[in-house]
Amino acid sequence: EDKVVQSPLSLVVHEGDTVTLNCSYEVTNFRSLLWYKQEKKAPTFLFMLTSSGIEKKSGRLSSILDKKELFSILNITATQTGDSAVYLCAVCGSNYKLTFGKGTLLTVNP
Amino acid sequence: KAGVTQTPRYLIKTRGQQVTLSCSPISGHRSVSWYQQTPGQGLQFLFEYFSETQRNKGNFPGRFSGRQFSNSRSEMNVSTLELGDSALYLCASRAQGADTEAFFGQGTRLTVV
Repeated sequence: EDKVVQSPLSLVVHEGDTVTLNCSYEVTNFRSLLWYKQEKKAPTFLFMLTSSGIEKKSGRLSSILDKKELFSILNITATQTGDSAVYLCAVCGSNYKLTFGKGTLLTVNP
Repeated sequence: KAGVTQTPRYLIKTRGQQVTLSCSPISGHRSVSWYQQTPGQGLQFLFEYFSETQRNKGNFPGRFSGRQFSNSRSEMNVSTLELGDSALYLCASRAQGADTEAFFGQGTRLTVV
């Protein structure tokens, strides 16, 4: 059974700090790894990483994929209070099934 | 381009009743997945439908079922509701293809009393 483990489960930082969120996985027939941000209800898409795209960057957010060690990290630099959310990692494996981790709750204090 | 639409947004049911939730995917998307989210448990996969066929299934009891229509709209049914079924139910739609992101609806908040 596909498995995604995120760490830490929660994190409290001050504005301006840099944070690193971790995601490790065990999946059959890895296709892609996705990061989402969930603030209220609907998770919103951040990045997709695949064998052909192991690094992504958008503004203060960046992510890398290590297919050999089976993990990914999401970095957020110069954090802002608006970054407070649950960050979800998901892996697409066999039969295109998306399996999610439990998420990391990030709280950014002013 | 309209997003993923879930109805109803909120629902209160009594133990033992059944409930049907609806999800309309983004136009052109043929895959619809359903997830249950409870505090501390993340998104737990229920099932996925693609072109009216169930393509994947999670580890939920048979009380949870779904279907997909020819227009890609999907419904999820839960029979004999239990208190533990109280949760946010999210659906996500994807276009055809392996390397495509899933787009989520706003969810249906189900409360079982």
